[in-house]
Amino acid sequence: DAGVIQSPRHEVTEMGQEVTLRCKPISGHNSLFWYRQTMMRGLELLIYFNNNVPIDDSGMPEDRFSAKMPNASFSTLKIQPSEPRDSAVYFCASSLAGSLYNSPLHFGNGTRLTVT
Amino acid sequence: DAKTTQPTSMDCAEGRAANLPCNHSTISGNEYVYWYRQIHSQGPQYIIHGLKNNETNEMASLIITEDRKSSTLILPHATLRDTAVYYCISRGEANNLFFGTGTRLTVIP
Repeated sequence: DAGVIQSPRHEVTEMGQEVTLRCKPISGHNSLFWYRQTMMRGLELLIYFNNNVPIDDSGMPEDRFSAKMPNASFSTLKIQPSEPRDSAVYFCASSLAGSLYNSPLHFGNGTRLTVT
Repeated sequence: DAKTTQPTSMDCAEGRAANLPCNHSTISGNEYVYWYRQIHSQGPQYIIHGLKNNETNEMASLIITEDRKSSTLILPHATLRDTAVYYCISRGEANNLFFGTGTRLTVIP
């Protein structure tokens, strides 16, 4: 199994530009999570999906952030417009949702976003 | 989900067992204890989880006290590649892993 695949690995963009991060979960997993990691705040959950439906987006910082999951094998996190304070490492994770808290999350290697 | 507390940092000699403690005194009956680690610039890696029985897999052992208020992750023979930040997490009804600050384990040659 290839694990959770994220792209790009690194993204450098200018303030005001649109940024799209991509995630392919592990085949067969039906929960998908987006996390953000910064030195100041550590790892924070932004949003998660069960069976392609957003369940909890209370961690999404503001309207500039949006996430979609059009099918079971793909999700995007979009920031528009981007700001320097969005600079962070963004992780995607997936798990089986059958028995929610008895199913480990498996993380991708993240996208390092730098907004100048 | 219950909060967990861990020491900020620990050292361990290469080849020795690394014992990482975690306090979760407010854990409820249906919350699992999860352990993850994060090596610099990589995504968090799942290690092990348990509810009340001790667990062992190819990476580590998890010892949970009978009252479930604390647990210990054991890496039986630490190597330099085990240097990482280790997170202890209690997970209940919220389908989320809340990561605290973890323990930075340094394995010393």
